[in-house]
This record gives sequence, structure tokens and C-alpha cells, in this order.
Amino acid sequence: GAVVSQHPSRVICKSGTSVKIECRSLDFQATTMFWYRQFPKQSLMLMATSNEGSKATYEQGVEKDKFLINHASLTLSTLTVTSAHPEDSSFYICSARDHWGTSGGLSTNEQFFGPGTRLTVL
Amino acid sequence: GDSVTQMEGPVTLSEEAFLTINCTYTATGYPSLFWYVQYPGEGLQLLLKATKADDKGSNKGFEATYRKETTSFHLEKGSVQVSDSAVYFCALRNAGNMLTFGGGTRLMVKP
Repeated sequence: GAVVSQHPSRVICKSGTSVKIECRSLDFQATTMFWYRQFPKQSLMLMATSNEGSKATYEQGVEKDKFLINHASLTLSTLTVTSAHPEDSSFYICSARDHWGTSGGLSTNEQFFGPGTRLTVL
Repeated sequence: GDSVTQMEGPVTLSEEAFLTINCTYTATGYPSLFWYVQYPGEGLQLLLKATKADDKGSNKGFEATYRKETTSFHLEKGSVQVSDSAVYFCALRNAGNMLTFGGGTRLMVKP
């Protein structure tokens, strides 16, 4: 089955520093990746849609200059939280869409989710 | 816009009890419907899906039927196990291929 990895799984940083989170599709090509944010005991909120080779599309209320997204290849997207502050502490989850059905998943266009990255800003 | 509403948890059951987690949706057109499961500290895993009215998705003993007339996609399992303890998310995918999630329902199964 399709596997999506995230690195790191946990990160603790000081306020004002930047943190980069990687999302990789390990056995399929993902033209589109999504970044979600999840607060404790809450649902996932879509932050942005990342398309390979083009600029990300951000949801309303998400600061694109604070949450930098790069999708330079069909298997890798990165989210950089710039000048992180304690209110940025959250669980960040990425997903990758298997556009071509190469993963053997249930259907094409299915999204496969990474294990998440827990960011704690002190 | 699209929205998904699911029953608030936590839902606490004894092992082998019957499970129902309600999910209703609001959407234009004909969305696909999903149930995802999230185990502690992990990402989401697709549990089952249905793509059109009256379809029944099933996996690992869980079932859900796409009911267009009631705009519902309730999750059921006849006999839950301790290992089913997790958070369950109902979601829909619209024509734009974007997922909209419900708030999640935490299930706790006690031995």
C-alpha cells in the first residue's frame, strides 16, 4: 500500500526559530500534497494545497509568509514554519494524493496521510 | 460550503458492544464519503469509503452506508475490541477533490 512519511515526528524549538517539516510519498508519485493542522482533540484543518512545480494554494486565514511550502518533486513537499511562536505549537499532518493510482490504493485521487509531526515551540 | 457533522465523544463502550457513530453532511453535488481512523500519536488511516448513494463501505468489521435521502454515513461495528480505541473522522470529498472533515469522535473500549 501507499506510504507517506513525515520527518521529524517531533520537534521542540525556541520561539523565533524556523522549523522545516518534510513529507514524502515513498512508493508513489504525488502531484498534489496537502498540509493540515490539528489542535488537541480537534479535527484537521486544511492549511494549504501543494502542487508539484507551482506555488501552493493557501486556505483563508493561513499566512503564506509564515508557513512556507515547497513541492519541488513528485515525492517531496516541505513545510517551513518561520519565526515560530508558542501559538504555532500543533500537530501537523501531510497527505499525498495518488493521482495516477500507482500505489494500488482503493482508487485514484485517494489521499494517503503521513504520521504527523508534533511541533512544540517554547 | 461543504460541512460534516459527527456525534461528539467520547464514546465509551465495553468490549463486544455494538458501535454506532453518527455522521451527517451538507454538500452540493454528489460527494464521496469516508471514514478515517487515527490512533494515538499517529496520522489518519482510511477505514472505508463509499462513492455513491446506497453504496456500503466495509473494512475490518466496520460498515457505513451512503444514505443520500438522509445525507448520512453512520459508522457501525457489531462487536468492538479494545484495539478499536481511537479517534474516528467522517469526511467528504467534493468534485474539487478536497476533503472536508468532521470534528472527530473518540472511541474508548474497555475490557
